[in-house]
Amino acid sequence: SQQGEEDPQALSIQEGENATMNCSYKTSINNLQWYRQNSGRGLVHLILIRSNEREKHSGRLRVTLDTSKKSSSLLITASRAADTASYFCATTLINTGTASKLTFGTGTRLQVTL
Amino acid sequence: DTGVSQNPRHKITKRGQNVTFRCDPISEHNRLYWYRQTLGQGPEFLTYFQNEAQLEKSRLLSDRFSAERPKGSFSTLEIQRTEQGDSAMYLCASSTTTGSSYNSPLHFGNGTRLTVT
Repeated sequence: SQQGEEDPQALSIQEGENATMNCSYKTSINNLQWYRQNSGRGLVHLILIRSNEREKHSGRLRVTLDTSKKSSSLLITASRAADTASYFCATTLINTGTASKLTFGTGTRLQVTL
Repeated sequence: DTGVSQNPRHKITKRGQNVTFRCDPISEHNRLYWYRQTLGQGPEFLTYFQNEAQLEKSRLLSDRFSAERPKGSFSTLEIQRTEQGDSAMYLCASSTTTGSSYNSPLHFGNGTRLTVT
């Protein structure tokens, strides 16, 4: 079963605009990670935020985490056509006995047009 | 390139046949994971190894599925008596447990796409 749900399921923006994707999850987590997947390829790790962190930046990426609402957001600033991909949040659950098993959400498909 | 390597990239098989996929992880990574991904969905966990020990199997992994990592290096995933519902992308990932094992990102291969006709 999927732990996370991304919103929106699909997003289309123009190059230069910002893209915001949201992720909600169901149970308490150790950390939350965001991954990108280009069509027909494997996933690439983007950023990890620990449960005791609220915001993290990496280049054009900004991730927030609100554990009280069980939600996270990924902001991509100044988007480029090369950002076109599916984006997934993934969580590591607390007290599962399998510390690093990641559970993925359903993904947001981002299309960046010229 | 020393990333995760999966073979074959594509496999078409007839229902009832057996198939085997191989994954070569990043060499210094001691954890290896198998995920399955169907179109429009996120990856679903199947199983994972720490070194050669298989530490967890998902309930998704029926008796027809078996995974091995005999020497703690490469891994194989075998599906016996394939069914059309097995058609999916099978992804392998590896990670290291240096530092906190809670905070290790996964490094994915490009997957094996299985089509069962």
